[in-house]
Amino acid sequence: QVQLVESGGGLVKPGGSLRLSCAASGFSFSDYYIGWIRQAPGKGLEWVTFVSSSSDRIHYTDSAEGRFIISRDNANNSVFLQMNSLRVEDTAVFYCVRWNYLYYAVDVWGQGTTVTVSS
Amino acid sequence: DIQMTQSPSSVSASVGDRVTITCRASQGITTLLAWYQQKPGKAPKLLISDASTLQSGVPSRFSGSGSGTDFTLTISNLQPEDFATYFCQQANNFPQVTFGQGTRLEIK
Repeated sequence: QVQLVESGGGLVKPGGSLRLSCAASGFSFSDYYIGWIRQAPGKGLEWVTFVSSSSDRIHYTDSAEGRFIISRDNANNSVFLQMNSLRVEDTAVFYCVRWNYLYYAVDVWGQGTTVTVSS
Repeated sequence: DIQMTQSPSSVSASVGDRVTITCRASQGITTLLAWYQQKPGKAPKLLISDASTLQSGVPSRFSGSGSGTDFTLTISNLQPEDFATYFCQQANNFPQVTFGQGTRLEIK
């Protein structure tokens, strides 16, 4: 079935780095924008970054610009999020998501991976 | 950024009730609005896209309406499995999608 599976979350100190991975299956991965959306504890949803199907367009929210790097490997149906200079306020569940242009919405979500930034 | 304001932030209702949640955009977004349902500890689930298009498998007691700046999600004949948090999301300036703050639907 169509799914996204994240990994790589964990506990990291402020200023540290973490690399999240997302493995896709069940659909034509290279046809879709893929991104990351996060949810801080008890809070709402915030888009972080999206990468186009061929990686020619990459977008970051202001708070991620310059610190996070998204990349994808279409041969292996995977997306990665390299997060550097992490801050306490980056603590959140990070969801790997598929953007569906037909719906103008996120139609597939991973189960989420938790990132905790704390000293 | 386009701001999305949901109301109410929480609502209590009983099984069988009808509930309406509203979402207002800070500027016109035509019908580029989606609704999601999220249960505790789970990822959100897409319910409605394009303001009123029900996703496959979503019960017909869910409906959406609106265009421009004002939108509603209506749940008729509430069922126990409907108690969750609901978010709206605008896609007018993708990828800068923004979400409402959420509406928590609780059992009365």
